[in-house]
Amino acid sequence: EVQLVESGGGLVQPGRSLKLSCAASGFTFSDYNMAWVRQAPKKGLEWVATIIYDGSRTYYRDSVKGRFTISRDNAKSTLYLQMDSLRSEDTATYYCATHVTEGMFAYWGQGTLVTVSS
Amino acid sequence: DVVMTQTPVSLPVSLGGQASISCRSSQSLVHSNGNTYLHWYLQKPGQSPQLLIYRVSNRFSGVPDRFSGSGSGTDFTLKISRVEPEDLGDYYCLQSSHFPFTFGSGTKLEIK
Repeated sequence: EVQLVESGGGLVQPGRSLKLSCAASGFTFSDYNMAWVRQAPKKGLEWVATIIYDGSRTYYRDSVKGRFTISRDNAKSTLYLQMDSLRSEDTATYYCATHVTEGMFAYWGQGTLVTVSS
Repeated sequence: DVVMTQTPVSLPVSLGGQASISCRSSQSLVHSNGNTYLHWYLQKPGQSPQLLIYRVSNRFSGVPDRFSGSGSGTDFTLKISRVEPEDLGDYYCLQSSHFPFTFGSGTKLEIK
């Protein structure tokens, strides 16, 4: 059974940093592209970033480019999102998801809440 | 960015009835490789989104055949027949043909 478990969320002040983790199990992590998708409170879904299965390429939405870094450790089956220079508009639940070759986010974790506030 | 316009915003349905959700894109979702990357999700209250339909009309593993997707180019539809209580929640379309990937704003399926 595919399992994705996010951690690392919490309350952080504007301008500070936070690093999210996503522990994967139940599938061969190193075979899959992975993504982060976020959802602001009571709002819709927003794609944040994707990393190719071997970490060779990354893609970001413009609003996080230069501030967020997606990375992975295939030996540990873990996905990361380093978030720097956080803003209030980054407040959201962050989900990790498998980003399969058919183009969709197939499996999702339960999410971790990031609140950016002073 | 590709804008995904979902309608209606709210959809009251009777249990056992049929529901139809529309998703229109601001530009064609036909990728340069000929595929169309339009997908549908259901987010039940308090849960993560779950994949229902991928690439317009393919049901994901374990999704009942009450759910069907259709469409092409810029115009897509999700149909739910014989609505059951577990179908209630927020439905989203997603396009992954063009960067950045974008979701529709959602349709809330609720009991009439």
